[in-house]
Amino acid sequence: DAGITQSPRHKVTETGTPVTLRCHQTENHRYMYWYRQDPGHGLRLIHYSYGVKDTDKGEVSDGYSVSRSKTEDFLLTLESATSSQTSVYFCATLPGGAYGYTFGSGTRLTVV
Amino acid sequence: GQQLNQSPQSMFIQEGEDVSMNCTSSSIFNTWLWYKQDPGEGPVLLIALYKAGELTSNGRLTAQFGITRKDSFLNISASIPSDVGIYFCAGPIQGAQKLVFGQGTRLTINP
Repeated sequence: DAGITQSPRHKVTETGTPVTLRCHQTENHRYMYWYRQDPGHGLRLIHYSYGVKDTDKGEVSDGYSVSRSKTEDFLLTLESATSSQTSVYFCATLPGGAYGYTFGSGTRLTVV
Repeated sequence: GQQLNQSPQSMFIQEGEDVSMNCTSSSIFNTWLWYKQDPGEGPVLLIALYKAGELTSNGRLTAQFGITRKDSFLNISASIPSDVGIYFCAGPIQGAQKLVFGQGTRLTINP
């Protein structure tokens, strides 16, 4: 969707290195989310944000941290990448009061 | 926590066939959502259901909110090649503005 941009789209990194993925939205949506997609598991919530500087953990938050210093940007950081974090990462946004997410196009991360 | 189970996990069909898939949960949901993911893209919302028993259509797609509030169904009629992708059901986690997703049903169509 043109309103959500994820960067980078693809990344290969080495085990033990820190990695930051960026999600940028132009929709002024209050809520933002990071999910990871793995075969057999569907989409699992990592962290989410309900406003600037307001974030909370999802079901698979270990090894990840997030920051949201302004409405339009939500950053996901892998503090020390591991091979189990090889995945496709999706950012999503939601205007308050509704349930229909808008997703970005994803970032494919490979940890070698 | 709340979990959604989709079946089947994958489907291989011929073009023109009808498709049925479902999503079940051990918990009650007040909203059911169906998304489709095209290869290399993020999921896109297809249909939202807000009331038990509700039947909603979007072109060749029809979705139903189960009476028990613990299941939902998606049907695709007269499948075409662009229906290929992964279909996800989703529901809101109680008391929070966040969704839980099923594992997905991967649809493959043979021309």
